Amino acid sequence: AQKVTQAQTEISVVEKEDVTLDCVYETRDTTYYLFWYKQPPSGELVFLIRRNSFDEQNEISGRYSWNFQKSTSSFNFTITASQVVDSAVYFCALSEANTGGFKTIFGAGTRLFVKA
Amino acid sequence: DTGVSQDPRHKITKRGQNVTFRCDPISEHNRLYWYRQTLGQGPEFLTYFQNEAQLEKSRLLSDRFSAERPKGSFSTLEIQRTEQGDSAMYLCASTWTSGHNEQFFGPGTRLTVL
Repeated sequence: AQKVTQAQTEISVVEKEDVTLDCVYETRDTTYYLFWYKQPPSGELVFLIRRNSFDEQNEISGRYSWNFQKSTSSFNFTITASQVVDSAVYFCALSEANTGGFKTIFGAGTRLFVKA
Repeated sequence: DTGVSQDPRHKITKRGQNVTFRCDPISEHNRLYWYRQTLGQGPEFLTYFQNEAQLEKSRLLSDRFSAERPKGSFSTLEIQRTEQGDSAMYLCASTWTSGHNEQFFGPGTRLTVL
């Protein structure tokens, strides 16, 4: 069965600090997709990144970077030089290609507070 | 395109009443999802459609819940005989048919059952 664990419920940082949000997943499929979404205070989830299980190359997009490690079943998200606008709830999600249909399972989320 | 829209945004109802929510996906998206989100939790999968076909329904979904997408465009989610435990945010998302693509979410319908 597929499962996503985000052990950090809340993180609080001061602006300009770097912060890493952890995501650990469980799956029996060899082909799967991992996602990160952001849910700002306004409430609407916004897509950040998608990774497939065959692509372990880390990705950087501006202040955001993602570290995918199949050996530890982790897909961690780092924000460099955090800003107040980064305050939101961040969700990691998993979609299995072979046994899961097109169902997507979300973690419980990590609430990030960035203080000025 | 204006994105995924949901109506109503808020619904307050008394226990035992029926409620219906509507979702209008992005026009070129053939796949549509319904999720439920409670406070402090991530979106919980309820069901999804590919065009008008409902392809999967969560085992957690009781028989009081039903969803339709009659013409493969907008979708409705009905909850019959609402219970206080149904109070939650109901989210709709849509995406393209091919592959495991990112989903585009609507603003949600917040249901409060008194």
